[in-house]
This record gives sequence, structure tokens and C-alpha cells, in this order.
Amino acid sequence: NAGVTQTPKFQVLKTGQSMTLQCAQDMNHNSMYWYRQDPGMGLRLIYYSASEGTTDKGEVPNGYNVSRLNKREFSLRLESAAPSQTSVYFCASTWTGPYEQYFGPGTRLTVT
Amino acid sequence: GESVGLHLPTLSVQEGDNSIINCAYSNSASDYFIWYKQESGKGPQFIIDIRSNMDKRQGQRVTVLLNKTVKHLSLQIAATQPGDSAVYFCAWRASGAGSYQLTFGKGTKLSVIP
Repeated sequence: NAGVTQTPKFQVLKTGQSMTLQCAQDMNHNSMYWYRQDPGMGLRLIYYSASEGTTDKGEVPNGYNVSRLNKREFSLRLESAAPSQTSVYFCASTWTGPYEQYFGPGTRLTVT
Repeated sequence: GESVGLHLPTLSVQEGDNSIINCAYSNSASDYFIWYKQESGKGPQFIIDIRSNMDKRQGQRVTVLLNKTVKHLSLQIAATQPGDSAVYFCAWRASGAGSYQLTFGKGTKLSVIP
């Protein structure tokens, strides 16, 4: 099992450009999450999907949209990137609820 | 990755000694708590969790202690090894039973001296 995979690993965007971060899990988990991590800080929840067909805002949703494409895949979209969105983005999944989340390797995004 | 450790509290311990990493949480309604380990350039990795109806839970070489009175969580690592060097995060359920959201602490960097 690959666990949680994320693409791309690195990305550089110019202000105003858009992009989609992809996440997939092969553990048959119901719940999936998107976090961002900034230097010297813990992770902050952007959006989550408790189950296929549902999505909800987390702590810092502004500037982002998500799609739960199917049970395996949960994507994060930046419609108009801003320098404040420079961060490391992590996707995670769980069987259900916030318990024992399995994290992907992260996407390092720089917006110039 | 490498930037995770910037400006974080750092704990340096000798290989073989025990480590204690502390965490203060803010939500008295929280019923679930968890510790993660994050190595440089990698995603967080689950270590151990505990629910609010317990005050201690043990795993392999790790123990988590919960003091709800003072809203304090600690992670004890026995016989610390070089492979334990990482940033450790505590997290707690954001708003009580039923919530899917975790709030993460800012992390502590553990450095093991060989």
C-alpha cells in the first residue's frame, strides 16, 4: 500500500496563477483533510471531507476550494495564488473522525 | 521540511536518557489528544493518542500523560535514540465530541546527542 500520496512535491507559482494539489489514499478511509504548515507553526486545517460527498471548512479556508472526487481522492485548488499561500501543504486521511490521521509527504508551494 | 524546526522550543537529550515533551492545550471541552512526530522533509507520523477518560496511556517506549485539571499533555520517550530526533506536535480535538477538527500545537524539536 502506498498510503497517502500527494502531487506535485514542489511547485512555484506567480501571484494570480491557479493550481490544483492532488491527494489520493489507498487505505479505504472515509475522511480526508488538507492542512498547511508554516515555519515555526503547527498544522492548520484548511478543509476536510468527513465522507465521500461532503466537504467542510476548517480553520483557514479563505483562498482555497476543495473537491472530494471519490472515496480515494481529495483535491485542493488555489484559484488565484497569493504570496501568503506560500507554505507546505499536507493531505491526511482517517477511517472516520479525526483519529490517528495518516499524512502524505507534503507539497512545498512557493508563490512569488 | 527543514523550515519546520525554525523558532521552535528545542529539547536536547543524551542518547539513552528519557525525554519528556510538554504541551499545553487550550480547549477544556477537548476529549481526544494525539502526538505526532515529524522528521525533516516528511509528513507527520502518528505516535500515540489518548482520550479524556484516561490520564495515562503507554505504547512502545512512549507514554502519554494527560492532566485535564491544568490542560496539560506530556509525551515521555524512554531510552531516547538518535532516530527519535524530530519535531513533535501535540494536537487536540478542536471542540469536543463529534468534531472532525484537530488543533495542533506549535511543536517541540527534539535533538538526541549521540
